Amino acid sequence: TQLLEQSPQFLSIQEGENLTVYCNSSSVFSSLQWYRQEPGEGPVLLVTVVTGGEVKKLKRLTFQFGDARKDSSLHITAAQTGDTGLYLCAGVNTDKLIFGTGTRLQVFP
Amino acid sequence: ETGVTQTPRHLVMGMTNKKSLKCEQHLGHNAMYWYKQSAKKPLELMFVYNFKEQTENNSVPSRFSPECPNSSHLFLHLHTLQPEDSALYLCASSLVDRDNSPLHFGNGTRLTVT
Repeated sequence: TQLLEQSPQFLSIQEGENLTVYCNSSSVFSSLQWYRQEPGEGPVLLVTVVTGGEVKKLKRLTFQFGDARKDSSLHITAAQTGDTGLYLCAGVNTDKLIFGTGTRLQVFP
Repeated sequence: ETGVTQTPRHLVMGMTNKKSLKCEQHLGHNAMYWYKQSAKKPLELMFVYNFKEQTENNSVPSRFSPECPNSSHLFLHLHTLQPEDSALYLCASSLVDRDNSPLHFGNGTRLTVT
């Protein structure tokens, strides 16, 4: 069974701090997606990374796909309260989408 | 507005009840999905419909019965549920023929089985 482990599971920080969320697997993925799920809503796609070593930036969020396409990271600079939510990575392998275990982020003012 | 609408948003049902969850998408997508989201577990894929045909059933108990009458609508019929079936049920849609096509999720139905 393919498994995508995310760490940390929970993260509680103050506004202005930086943080990194990790998504790790022993499997290779053709691409990897990151979603954010806010309370009371469904997950919303943030970014898709496709090439090993790829780095994508979305304002204060930086996403990296590992060289071997087995892992990914999400770095948030100067977190804001609006970043609060559940962050999910999802790997694509032979048309199947495998979701990670999730990282719940709480940003306090 | 996510483009994928789920109703009801909340549902409380007894173990002997029969109820249905509804999902509707107006994004022109050709695949629809049911996921179960429980605390402390990854999102679990339950069913997939491509072009209205069920292509995946991830060993889901028969007390969950999906129905996809057309590419815009998806139902999940529930009967004789157990308390451990309490969870957030998410519907999603995507474009099957597009590489790396992301999922577009609804806001879910929060189900409580008493």
